[in-house]
Amino acid sequence: EVQLVESGGGLVQSGGSLRLSCAASGFTFSRYWMHWVRQAPGKGLVWVSHINSEGSNTGYADSVKGRFTISRDNAKNTLYLQMNSLRAEDTAVYYCVRRGFPAALHWYFDLWGRGTLVTISS
Amino acid sequence: QSALTQPASVSGSPGQSITISCTGTSSDVGSYDYVSWYQQHPGRAPELMIYDVRNRPSGVSNRFSGSKSGNTASLTISGLQTEDEADYYCSSYTSTNTPWVFGGGTKLTVL
Repeated sequence: EVQLVESGGGLVQSGGSLRLSCAASGFTFSRYWMHWVRQAPGKGLVWVSHINSEGSNTGYADSVKGRFTISRDNAKNTLYLQMNSLRAEDTAVYYCVRRGFPAALHWYFDLWGRGTLVTISS
Repeated sequence: QSALTQPASVSGSPGQSITISCTGTSSDVGSYDYVSWYQQHPGRAPELMIYDVRNRPSGVSNRFSGSKSGNTASLTISGLQTEDEADYYCSSYTSTNTPWVFGGGTKLTVL
């Protein structure tokens, strides 16, 4: 089955760190650009970060730049998001998302995980 | 403040048609045919409904259609069904420093 399964969310104090993981299965993970998108409780979707298929090109939203780091291990079919210096406003469900293939032709997200909840307490 | 503007809510009766608008700028919707739409039921992950303005992924009902005029994209759902009740988000590529933007979401109520 083609799927993305996130893990690693939880309750952390402000200023703390968390590492999210996303296990991919059912498709050739190494071909795809991958993203993290978050959704604060009761709010809309917000793009957080992306990484190219090789892991050599990354991008971040201004709100997380310098605090979050995206990475991937293609041998393990796993995407990561290292989150440091967490703030209350980072509280959200974090979705692991696959971009259409090939990336150069496809600017949309065609597969979403079920998400993992990150809660930052102040 | 979301980068793309959507109405907070729309409603319709079963069998009717509704349209959800998504207004951007010349840096996103107006200049690129990379608008996509996502459906999200409560407690569930979003699901791709329309990509590249008007294309439907395999498995999505042909009751869903997309279009664009100028800086505004639209999602039309015809023959409304109760299972269409959900939140809908538009998204676009943008040439600004953040390559992806979403709309604030529209809650569709099927009365």
